[in-house]
Amino acid sequence: GQQLNQSPQSMFIQEGEDVSMNCTSSSIFNTWLWYKQEPGEGPVLLIALYKAGELTSNGRLTAQFGITRKDSFLNISASIPSDVGIYFCAAHNAGNMLTFGGGTRLMVKP
Amino acid sequence: DAGVIQSPRHEVTEMGQEVTLRCKPISGHDYLFWYRQTMMRGLELLIYFNNNVPIDDSGMPEDRFSAKMPNASFSTLKIQPSEPRDSAVYFCASSYGTMNTEAFFGQGTRLTVV
Repeated sequence: GQQLNQSPQSMFIQEGEDVSMNCTSSSIFNTWLWYKQEPGEGPVLLIALYKAGELTSNGRLTAQFGITRKDSFLNISASIPSDVGIYFCAAHNAGNMLTFGGGTRLMVKP
Repeated sequence: DAGVIQSPRHEVTEMGQEVTLRCKPISGHDYLFWYRQTMMRGLELLIYFNNNVPIDDSGMPEDRFSAKMPNASFSTLKIQPSEPRDSAVYFCASSYGTMNTEAFFGQGTRLTVV
């Protein structure tokens, strides 16, 4: 089946540092999504991307839909302690199920 | 809007018992999804409904699992009999319009079967 390979699996960074994570697939997708999950909570949608090459920002978060439609990345600038959580990429094509990556666990040291 | 509401938040039960998880989707949403999350397998889609009708239940692991959506504002996921390997966090999510774009998740039910 379709799989999303998300990396890195975990990151331990210093507050103030920038963060970059990405998601790749051997399949083409028409929609890429990025979610954040905090402990004890469900995933919350951060950014949705609908067009190849699209670059979208949400505050300190920036995500891009790869031009090949097989990848996406998420950047977080100037990290803060509340950025801690698990970040998931997800992707789908119309009429198909949403596929999730394995997640990137982010830890921020104050 | 209160978002997707799931209950209970935590459930501990003995092996062999019946477990029922509940979900109230966001009002007006026409798609409802049940996911299971474990460390080993990540987020797995179990089943989804469109306009209260089950569309794809291929992710339901076994016949011990069943889901219903009697109306637009309520869905249940039942496990009977429960087994220790069913221990996981179960999420309900809902969305409007195109299947699962911008799905909104509930807070989940953490199930522990001992």
